[in-house]
Order: sequence, then C-alpha cells, then structure tokens
Amino acid sequence: QKEVEQDPGPLSVPEGAIVSLNCTYSNSAFQYFMWYRQYSRKGPELLMYTYSSGNKEDGRFTAQVDKSSKYISLFIRDSQPSDSATYLCATVLYGGSQGNLIFGKGTKLSVKP
Amino acid sequence: ETGVTQSPTHLIKTRGQQVTLRCSSQSGHNTVSWYQQALGQGPQFIFQYYREEENGRGNFPPRFSGLQFPNYSSELNVNALELDDSALYLCASSLTSGGADTQYFGPGTRLTVL
Repeated sequence: QKEVEQDPGPLSVPEGAIVSLNCTYSNSAFQYFMWYRQYSRKGPELLMYTYSSGNKEDGRFTAQVDKSSKYISLFIRDSQPSDSATYLCATVLYGGSQGNLIFGKGTKLSVKP
Repeated sequence: ETGVTQSPTHLIKTRGQQVTLRCSSQSGHNTVSWYQQALGQGPQFIFQYYREEENGRGNFPPRFSGLQFPNYSSELNVNALELDDSALYLCASSLTSGGADTQYFGPGTRLTVL
C-alpha cells in the first residue's frame, strides 16, 4: 500500500463549479498536510498547509483533514480556468530529521470556460 | 516565484552518461531537498542536504549523489544514466531540515535519457 493515495483523474469541470480533490494516507503518525498546485512545465507551488485535523480556508480554497479516516480534501469554490493544473497532496512525518515530503500522484484538473 | 532557481531547464543525455543539475536556494534557506518526478507521478524524495551534509535519503541508488556549497546552492549528480532516469528533477529549499518547515520548489530540470 502506498503511503499517500490520490486519484490521478483527469477531472474536468465547468467554470464556477465546486471542485473536490481527495487523498488518503496510511500512516497515522503523519501530522502535517499540504496541497501543492503544479502548472504544466513548472515546479509545485504550495497552496495550503494544515496541521492535524480540521479545516483551513484561504479565499476560494478550503483544506480539510480527517485524521480518524486518514482522509484529506481540498475544495475549490467558484472554479476558474486559471485553476487548471495538477493538484498534489503531500504529507510529512513530524519530527523527522529529514522532513521529506511524501506526495500523492496528483490530480489533473481542467476548468472549462 | 519562490526564489529557487534551477539550471539547466532541459537536458538530453544518452544512456551511460553522467549529468550534473544545479539549484540555487531561496535566500536564507540552509536546507535543500531533491525530488524526481516521473511523468504522471508525484515527486519522489531523493535526498536532503542541511548545512553541507546529507541529512536523509530516499530509495535511490548511490549513483545519485549530491553536494551543498557554503552559499547553500546545491548540485545533483547522476552517474551511469539509465532510460528510467528520464524525469523532471526538482529542488526545494527550506529554512530548516525539520518536517514542519515549508519547502519552496524551483521550476525543475527536465532530463531526457536516450
């Protein structure tokens, strides 16, 4: 079993739709969770960062962590064509000396005008 | 823009050759991590350098090696290139080596091995 599972999609939605992106993870010791956005031919860019369980909101983006079910989500409201990108969930082991990120495969999102 | 730069942007090599990729960290960051991202996959951790010492390594063979310099710039070297080494190579810098610190990624170097 991979440490972080993510449906690669692709996911296509009309402009203005609410988008839900999801990942599951296997190790209950993970405590930090991130969502990165990666445009074509670019490096990943940090979107959201949450610690432990709960919700975090930033503009049109909401990140949600449910540690009981080992499930992390990213919601995008009022999606725009500029949101078209690959979204990567990631986690890291707290207290690890190296702090390496463990990524899902990424979900490719396309928002159609 | 994250302030992390990488060179070159693209590179084509043949199997068996050696390659060096370079990364310049964001100002003030003393930790750099390298990742390999194959097509359609998430980035995979190669290794991390903290204050010029290797500070952790993923599941990559010894022909993947690195260096970090006193100005915290970094190199990734890959010897005896194989076809499966074709990927986007990403470096990421952070303030410290702990897991809680945000890692800022560069744009990557796309390596093609023929």
